[in-house]
Amino acid sequence: GENVEQHPSTLSVQEGDSAVIKCTYSDSASNYFPWYKQELGKRPQLIIDIRSNVGEKKDQRIAVTLNKTAKHFSLHITETQPEDSAVYFCAASPGGFKTIFGAGTRLFVKA
Amino acid sequence: EAGVVQSPRYKIIEKKQPVAFWCNPISGHNTLYWYRQNLGQGPELLIRYENEEAVDDSQLPKDRFSAERLKGVDSTLKIQPAELGDSAVYLCASSLGQPRADTQYFGPGTRLTVL
Repeated sequence: GENVEQHPSTLSVQEGDSAVIKCTYSDSASNYFPWYKQELGKRPQLIIDIRSNVGEKKDQRIAVTLNKTAKHFSLHITETQPEDSAVYFCAASPGGFKTIFGAGTRLFVKA
Repeated sequence: EAGVVQSPRYKIIEKKQPVAFWCNPISGHNTLYWYRQNLGQGPELLIRYENEEAVDDSQLPKDRFSAERLKGVDSTLKIQPAELGDSAVYLCASSLGQPRADTQYFGPGTRLTVL
């Protein structure tokens, strides 16, 4: 079955710097890759997603890149702000419905 | 439009006691998921429903866990009897469903503490 590895587990950046979180997946059939942000004590919320027919997608300060050949995808946050501090989860979905989540990255943005 | 609703938000029970969680998905969402999230980890799927049919329950510990979605809308997840290791946040999510992968919308979760 699918396995998703996420790195780093913890990331600390200075406000205004960029943050990059990387994930790898094992199942070449995976075709949907969402990223969720979870603030302390709250529900995971989708921040951006990408499908396998696209190599990059951007939404304001957030971008995601996908390399299907290497089976990895990354989240890029530019001009980080303190409110970006949260746990970020990547996920991969093979065939559409069995979404496998990474272990999460705890991002700290220092003011 | 209301999001995914879960209740209760918090539950504290003693081990060996039963507990039940309830979820109401977003209106029109055919697919419903129950996840367990342990502290510091990502959500792990317990069971997935397509309408009222459980199509993936391979990760559900069937000796003590059960779930139902009788009319294809609300769902209940039950644990009987609860064990100390069941302490976690139980998340419900829903999505539109087939024919392709769709965004999952999560509920606020039920934080279960087993003493």
